Amino acid sequence: KQEVTQIPAALSVPEGENLVLNCSFTDSAIYNLQWFRQDPGKGLTSLLLIQSSQREQTSGRLNASLDKSSGRSTLYIAASQPGDSATYLCAVKYNNNDMRFGAGTRLTVKP
Amino acid sequence: NAGVTQTPKFRVLKTGQSMTLLCAQDMNHEYMYWYRQDPGMGLRLIHYSVGEGTTAKGEVPDGYNVSRLKKQNFLLGLESAAPSQTSVYFCASRETGGKYYEQYFGPGTRLTVT
Repeated sequence: KQEVTQIPAALSVPEGENLVLNCSFTDSAIYNLQWFRQDPGKGLTSLLLIQSSQREQTSGRLNASLDKSSGRSTLYIAASQPGDSATYLCAVKYNNNDMRFGAGTRLTVKP
Repeated sequence: NAGVTQTPKFRVLKTGQSMTLLCAQDMNHEYMYWYRQDPGMGLRLIHYSVGEGTTAKGEVPDGYNVSRLKKQNFLLGLESAAPSQTSVYFCASRETGGKYYEQYFGPGTRLTVT
């Protein structure tokens, strides 16, 4: 069964700290992996998409890595800010129309 | 360019009532999707469409029907709502022609069935 797991479910850090969010998936035959941000009561905003042939993608203070062989991805956030507080979702695309989501990590950055 | 929009934003139904959720996109995307999001769980795919006039079942299709009469619109119907269908519903769309293309999401519809 194709499952996506995100640990921890919740994380609280002080402002300025660097942090890592984890995503693991059971089936390594992925097409791509996408990280989303979701603010309370809002939709999903795409942060980074890593193709199956890539090892990492960067956007500003965000860096996402992908290790297909071990079934893992990490989202690294540098110099965290209170505005980074949100739920971060990992989603794995397995075939043309099958995307499996993790339950998310709820991040709180304290001023 | 509005992207993906969803109507309504909130709705409360009584058990047994019916309703239709509307998703519209102005990006000329071929693929459209309906997901539901429940507390403590990831999004789960209900139905999807690969083009006008086509629909297919996703992971949790029971109790829902969909239609794609126009390329820009994807409708999700509940014929007889049940409390188990209380959820937040998200629509998404993406371009065709490549497995790497990103999905773009609407803001969601919060549905409560009492």
